[in-house]
Amino acid sequence: AQKITQTQPGMFVQEKEAVTLDCTYDTSDPSYGLFWYKQPSSGEMIFLIYQGSYDQQNATEGRYSLNFQKARKSANLVISASQLGDSAMYFCAMREGRGSWGKLQFGAGTQVVVTP
Amino acid sequence: EPEVTQTPSHQVTQMGQEVILRCVPISNHLYFYWYRQILGQKVEFLVSFYNNEISEKSEIFDDQFSVERPDGSNFTLKIRSTKLEDSAMYFCATGTALRETQYFGPGTRLLVL
Repeated sequence: AQKITQTQPGMFVQEKEAVTLDCTYDTSDPSYGLFWYKQPSSGEMIFLIYQGSYDQQNATEGRYSLNFQKARKSANLVISASQLGDSAMYFCAMREGRGSWGKLQFGAGTQVVVTP
Repeated sequence: EPEVTQTPSHQVTQMGQEVILRCVPISNHLYFYWYRQILGQKVEFLVSFYNNEISEKSEIFDDQFSVERPDGSNFTLKIRSTKLEDSAMYFCATGTALRETQYFGPGTRLLVL
């Protein structure tokens, strides 16, 4: 079974608009972490935001926020005020178990294209 | 801000040849990982390494793969006898117990002919 599901293979968004990227996860472990990474066409993996399973508040990092709905097992990424430089592949990932050293399991990704 | 570095950025090799991919972790990081991404696919975990030994490995990480930290700074991934299906982007990632985040290097794009 897939641990991380990203159902949107691709999206177009206009500059300055907000975009929500969906991510659902599957785990029976009460302790886990959820991550979003950005992969531009150049190929590198850029960390965007992290949410711990015990965190009470949704994570925010600048224009990025994570809409964490624990009961629904979803961790959607919201990018506000999209910029042309946001065009990239976005991956949701999960680490299971206590401790910060576990492997990351990735979803298939969502390709975002920001248009002028 | 400190970064993970990887060398080479690109490598082309013949099937059956050995390759060594190198990573220099962020200096105070203690947890090291290798991931790979076949073109157009998702990122897959290969192996994690802590305290000079493998912590966890995936099914992909068979006897053809090995990792080591030979000099206390570099972290290497060796593929003994490359196969066509080893063609992928290989990412090194490092982390610390103090933060949840794994920081990825820029990757090595390996092409096996």
